[in-house]
Amino acid sequence: DADVTQTPRNRITKTGKRIMLECSQTKGHDRMYWYRQDPGLGLRLIYYSFDVKDINKGEISDGYSVSRQAQAKFSLSLESAIPNQTALYFCATSLRGAYTFGSGTRLTVV
Amino acid sequence: ILNVEQSPQSLHVQEGDSTNFTCSFPSSNFYALHWYRWETAKSPEALFVMTLNGDEKKKGRISATLNTKEGYSYLYIKGSQPEDSATYLCAFTTQGGSEKLVFGKGMKLTVNP
Repeated sequence: DADVTQTPRNRITKTGKRIMLECSQTKGHDRMYWYRQDPGLGLRLIYYSFDVKDINKGEISDGYSVSRQAQAKFSLSLESAIPNQTALYFCATSLRGAYTFGSGTRLTVV
Repeated sequence: ILNVEQSPQSLHVQEGDSTNFTCSFPSSNFYALHWYRWETAKSPEALFVMTLNGDEKKKGRISATLNTKEGYSYLYIKGSQPEDSATYLCAFTTQGGSEKLVFGKGMKLTVNP
């Protein structure tokens, strides 16, 4: 089993719909992150969490929200999806600077 | 704004060629430099984490160097193989930056057999 599991792997949704991307980890790491990858732009930080009670906005948080339900779970929500949120989304965990990434969720908003 | 620049953005080489890529980053408040290898549909895989000026790290045919004073890192692949084809990502963290990675745009390497 993967250390960091993202679900779904692929999703197509319509503009205006609410969608949640889920991330769970078995690493036991306190720190979790959501990144977005767009072609030619690298990975950009959306939100991060250092423990269950700590949530922080990243570089591009507008249009997104997160929930840290437990140490092992960190969900990303798009309240009302729009086409420019079409991207590859990565969840990651870290401990003392060592990161582990999930395999990504490819989201298409039509 | 913290910017990481990678060059070139893409590279096509023949099997057996050696390659090197550059990552430039702000040298002030530097904490650590990370290199990742990312294949499509897979997780980015950590290659190296370097913190000290002059650091050199090696993993098989891949090696990396770090210059924190001038703000750059080189990644070398000796004798490229088709399985080296991937996107190579550079990222850094700053002191007081809470381990947040700031990524470059990546460098896509294609090794032709």
